[in-house]
Amino acid sequence: GAVVSQHPSWVICKSGTSVKIECRSLDFQATTMFWYRQFPKQSLMLMATSNEGSKATYEQGVEKDKFLINHASLTLSTLTVTSAHPEDSSFYICSASQGGAEAFFGQGTRLTVV
Amino acid sequence: KQEVTQIPAALSVPEGENLVLNCSFTDSAIYNLQWFRQDPGKGLTSLLLIQSSQREQTSGRLNASLDKSSGRSTLYIAASQPGDSATYLCAVLWNSGNTPLVFGKGTRLSVIA
Repeated sequence: GAVVSQHPSWVICKSGTSVKIECRSLDFQATTMFWYRQFPKQSLMLMATSNEGSKATYEQGVEKDKFLINHASLTLSTLTVTSAHPEDSSFYICSASQGGAEAFFGQGTRLTVV
Repeated sequence: KQEVTQIPAALSVPEGENLVLNCSFTDSAIYNLQWFRQDPGKGLTSLLLIQSSQREQTSGRLNASLDKSSGRSTLYIAASQPGDSATYLCAVLWNSGNTPLVFGKGTRLSVIA
């Protein structure tokens, strides 16, 4: 199957700093990628839809100025958590698919803000 | 609203048992349904994908069925092993094209040796 690579797999940062997470489709082009967030013992909740060459679409309740998404190419989307706070500590995971077929997920990023 | 529900939330069984995990979804007009496995602190592993036109898919000891009309899918695990212990997530894609999966909350499975 297709491969989606996410980096880093874990990161610890100080409160108030920014963290960038990368999501790459390694062997296919993805015009759309999705970013999810998962709190402990909860399911995956969609944060935003990342569209290549245009602005991301954010779900209700997700602050677009805090979670910056850039989809500059057909194989790369980045999520930047700006001015991170402890409540942003979570598991962030991206996915991509080829036009409605099977969805492939990155390995996820465990963010801890101290 | 399109939602996915999984029952039970947690399940503990002795090794060797056959078991069934349930998934239900509102709005039967799905495009496909996927079952995933998630180990603690890890990402998702895709187990089975069922297209809307299919009734079931099998992979090794796993069998997933789909009944669109009743809005249900089941994941059957035969001869469970301790290594099967994980959270199993059901996710539905309602539209083709670039739309996201909607996930259930998962079933946390523990297989006791």
